[in-house]
Amino acid sequence: DIQMTQSPSSLSASVGDTVTITCRASQGVGSNLNWYQHKPGEGPKVLIYGASSSQSGVPVRFRGSGSGTDFVLTISSLQPEDFATYFCQQSYVAPYTFGRGTKVEIK
Amino acid sequence: QVQVQESGPGLVKPSETLSLTCTVSGGSISSDYWNWIRQAPGKGLEWIGYMDHSGFDNYNPSLKSRVTISLDMSKNEVSLKLNSATAADTAVYYCVRERGFCRDNVCRNWFDPWGQGTLVTVSS
Repeated sequence: DIQMTQSPSSLSASVGDTVTITCRASQGVGSNLNWYQHKPGEGPKVLIYGASSSQSGVPVRFRGSGSGTDFVLTISSLQPEDFATYFCQQSYVAPYTFGRGTKVEIK
Repeated sequence: QVQVQESGPGLVKPSETLSLTCTVSGGSISSDYWNWIRQAPGKGLEWIGYMDHSGFDNYNPSLKSRVTISLDMSKNEVSLKLNSATAADTAVYYCVRERGFCRDNVCRNWFDPWGQGTLVTVSS
């Protein structure tokens, strides 16, 4: 199975900050990497698919980049509604696997 | 807009079968792949498997011997059965549609939407 290593596991930030979350795959996954946002009591929501394509309706402050084994999710100008857990997922090959998540908390 | 909702017993006894149903509204299950994903307490997400309307399926090898996913086209429902449940199967279970496309020999797929999830506890 492809292992997905995500960092950091948590971070504290203020409204208006820019935050960066990284995801590393144990082997190359091309651009088959997706990012999700998960809030308590809700199902996760896709933000970015194909490493850098934004899902319809997702604010432009969410940006994904990378290919191969190293990927980055950048959230610019953090908003109050962005405090949540974010996780990556490789869709290159089954079994699909996920990062452990990054919890973004209010400083 | 497609919505999914999981339902089923919140408590299952060890060695029994864990059974869940996913009701899909706003769209038909006759397209796309339909997945189950779970998250045990304090652990990461684990992909269980998928099935499509033609019967094409794919399961996580770690669970393949115990799991069955099926589609009821008449009810627009997706079901999950996990045999011989143990405490290790205690988790929040999500029903998830897999979307995707292929263009110019490049394929992309992702999970959307996810259900809210349902907690299943395996305990006597």
